[in-house]
Amino acid sequence: KQEVTQIPAALSVPEGENLVLNCSFTDSAIYNLQWFRQDPGKGLTSLLLIQSSQREQTSGRLNASLDKSSGRSTLYIAASQPGDSATYLCAVTGGSEKLVFGKGTKLTVNP
Amino acid sequence: GAVVSQHPSWVICKSGTSVKIECRSLDFQATTMFWYRQFPKQSLMLMATSNEGSKATYEQGVEKDKFLINHASLTLSTLTVTSAHPEDSSFYICSASLNSGRAHNEQFFGPGTRLTVL
Repeated sequence: KQEVTQIPAALSVPEGENLVLNCSFTDSAIYNLQWFRQDPGKGLTSLLLIQSSQREQTSGRLNASLDKSSGRSTLYIAASQPGDSATYLCAVTGGSEKLVFGKGTKLTVNP
Repeated sequence: GAVVSQHPSWVICKSGTSVKIECRSLDFQATTMFWYRQFPKQSLMLMATSNEGSKATYEQGVEKDKFLINHASLTLSTLTVTSAHPEDSSFYICSASLNSGRAHNEQFFGPGTRLTVL
């Protein structure tokens, strides 16, 4: 059974700092990995999707990497801003096309 | 593109009543929709997979008679929480899948529905 773990559970940083969020998964047989953002009481916004054949994806200040063999992904946020404050969720898709989510990392960027 | 809506965004009901939540794909047709449940500070847990025109597939531990799912069209799936109890209070999120170009069956999520059962 696939399990997804995110570390840390919570992170507080000053504005402008670069930061890394970690995600690990137990079964390396995945189709893709996604990073989502969730604001309090809201749905999910997809940030980046990395297919299993890819190593990384970039969008603006965000960069996500995937090491499928070791079951790890990182989300790098450059020059963090208060508006980046949210919960970041990592999810993987396997053969069943179901998404398995981690518990998320709650990020607070302080002005 | 690929917008998913949910209605209502929040609902408060008395114990014993039934509540229906709608999930719509606004600008695309979705043969498959998914229903998730999220408890505070917890991750999303898949409840069921809904396929248009057929019965939903429920995850282990989810009561199909408690959580009725109907997927009558390619743009609408409904989740009905029957005889709701306080322990059913949660945040319910739906998603709809689409061949997005990034992935064969990428899921696009609705904004969620907050259910509070008194």
